[in-house]
Amino acid sequence: SQQGEEDPQALSIQEGENATMNCSYKTSINNLQWYRQNSGRGLVHLILIRSNEREKHSGRLRVTLDTSKKSSSLLITASRAADTASYFCATEPTGANSKLTFGKGITLSVRP
Amino acid sequence: DSGVTQTPKHLITATGQRVTLRCSPRSGDLSVYWYQQSLDQGLQFLIQYYNGEERAKGNILERFSAQQFPDLHSELNLSSLELGDSALYFCASSVMSTRGNTIYFGEGSWLTVV
Repeated sequence: SQQGEEDPQALSIQEGENATMNCSYKTSINNLQWYRQNSGRGLVHLILIRSNEREKHSGRLRVTLDTSKKSSSLLITASRAADTASYFCATEPTGANSKLTFGKGITLSVRP
Repeated sequence: DSGVTQTPKHLITATGQRVTLRCSPRSGDLSVYWYQQSLDQGLQFLIQYYNGEERAKGNILERFSAQQFPDLHSELNLSSLELGDSALYFCASSVMSTRGNTIYFGEGSWLTVV
């Protein structure tokens, strides 16, 4: 079963606009990560936020984490056509030998 | 390029057959993970090895098995293949076994069962 669930399932925006993607999860976590996947390619790690962090930035990416609501958001500012991809959140639950569990992903289309 | 190498990139085989997918992790990474990605099931964790030993098991079928060798490369064996096994199989690797891992994915092996 999926630990993280992304919302919306699909998002279509115009180049230059901001894209906001959300992720909710069910259990306590050590960290939450966002990955990107271009069609038919491997997943690429974007950013990791630990459970004791509330916000993190990396270039045009901003990630927030609200552990009380068990949710995270990924904001891509000033989107580009090249940002078109699927985005996955992944959670590492607390506990020994916990495994990184991925959501089903969000398909982002950025129109030029 | 993540540094994780998977072979073969594409594979077409018949039902009932057996295939082996191979993965070379990034240099220095001790953990290897296998994931299956299909349209209906999404990205499913199959199994993790750390330094040659099985560390965690996910939704891996009994018809599937994996191992990690002393040189840290890993193989995923899929047997008695069914049409539903058609999917993209990813290998990933990381330095650590748990706790704050960033895992690095290979480009995947496309398996088509006909």
